[in-house]
Amino acid sequence: NAGVTQTPKFRVLKTGQSMTLLCAQDMNHEYMYWYRQDPGMGLRLIHYSVGEGTTAKGEVPDGYNVSRLKKQNFLLGLESAAPSQTSVYFCASSFSDNEQFFGPGTRLTVL
Amino acid sequence: EDQVTQSPEALRLQEGESSSLNCSYTVSGLRGLFWYRQDPGKGPEFLFTLYSAGEEKEKERLKATLTKKESFLHITAPKPEDSATYLCAVPQPSGYALNFGKGTSLLVTP
Repeated sequence: NAGVTQTPKFRVLKTGQSMTLLCAQDMNHEYMYWYRQDPGMGLRLIHYSVGEGTTAKGEVPDGYNVSRLKKQNFLLGLESAAPSQTSVYFCASSFSDNEQFFGPGTRLTVL
Repeated sequence: EDQVTQSPEALRLQEGESSSLNCSYTVSGLRGLFWYRQDPGKGPEFLFTLYSAGEEKEKERLKATLTKKESFLHITAPKPEDSATYLCAVPQPSGYALNFGKGTSLLVTP
């Protein structure tokens, strides 16, 4: 099993550009999450999904959109990237509201 | 208000020098406390879940304990490969995500 995978691993964007981060899990987990991790701020929840076709806002959702069209995939979109969105993005999944398993992260720089 | 506070922020140990990391929490009705290890450039790796006061779990040189207000991660005779950032987390009131502490950065020197 690959667990949780994220694509891409690194990306550099210019302000105003858009992009989509892809998260995939092969553990048949119902719940999936997107976090961002910044120095001194820790991990903060952006959006999450409790099942296929459902999404909900987390702590810092502004500037991001998500979609969960398939159970195994959770997409995070940035419609118009801003320098404040420079961060490391982690996807995670869980069977229910217990331990979460994280992907390797995507390092995004917005110039 | 922070629900999870970890201390110290950073800890440097000599190889073999045992110590403990602290995670204090303020949520009521705890539905689990989670410990993770994070290596530089990687995602958090799950270590333990604790559910009730008095519970203990062990994995190699690590032992996690839980009281009603805090959890400790005890590291016995650490090795350089134990160097990492250790994170603790508790479920958010909504039940669907985790509130993480800011972590303790551990460095074990030979």
